[in-house]
Amino acid sequence: QKEVEQDPGPLSVPEGAIVSLNCTYSNSAFQYFMWYRQYSRKGPELLMYTYSSGNKEDGRFTAQVDKSSKYISLFIRDSQPSDSATYLCAMSRTGGFKTIFGAGTRLFVKA
Amino acid sequence: DAGVTQSPTHLIKTRGQQVTLRCSPKSGHDTVSWYQQALGQGPQFIFQYYEEEERQRGNFPDRFSGHQFPNYSSELNVNALLLGDSALYLCASTEKTGEGSPLHFGNGTRLTVT
Repeated sequence: QKEVEQDPGPLSVPEGAIVSLNCTYSNSAFQYFMWYRQYSRKGPELLMYTYSSGNKEDGRFTAQVDKSSKYISLFIRDSQPSDSATYLCAMSRTGGFKTIFGAGTRLFVKA
Repeated sequence: DAGVTQSPTHLIKTRGQQVTLRCSPKSGHDTVSWYQQALGQGPQFIFQYYEEEERQRGNFPDRFSGHQFPNYSSELNVNALLLGDSALYLCASTEKTGEGSPLHFGNGTRLTVT
């Protein structure tokens, strides 16, 4: 079993839709949770960064962490064609030196 | 404010050869990590360098080695290349090691082994 599970998609939605992306994990020691966006032929770009459980909002993006269920989510409101990319969830533990990534979900937003 | 820079952007090597990839961290960052990203997969941790020492290593063979210089820049070396080493190699920097500091990535070096 992988430490972090993420549905690879692809996920195709119309412009303006609300997108929900999710990851599950098995290691209860994870305390830091991140979402990265990766465009083709580019490196991952940090979108959201949260510590422990709760919600965090930044513009059209909302990240949720439910540590009791070992489940994290990223919501994108009013999705745009420019949001078309691969979204990677990632997490790490206190005092840990490595970040563990999910496989990434490919998102297509159709105009 | 310069971000993480990597060179070269693309590289083609033959099986059995050796390769060196280079990375300059984001200004103000002193910790460098290297990741391997195969097509359609998430990045896999290779190792992390801090104060010119390897702090932690992932599940990669000794063919993968690295170095960090006093100016915090870093190199990744891969010896005896295999076809399976073909991937995007990503360098990431953070402002301090541990404690969940988020990684800031460069755009990677795409290595093709033929």
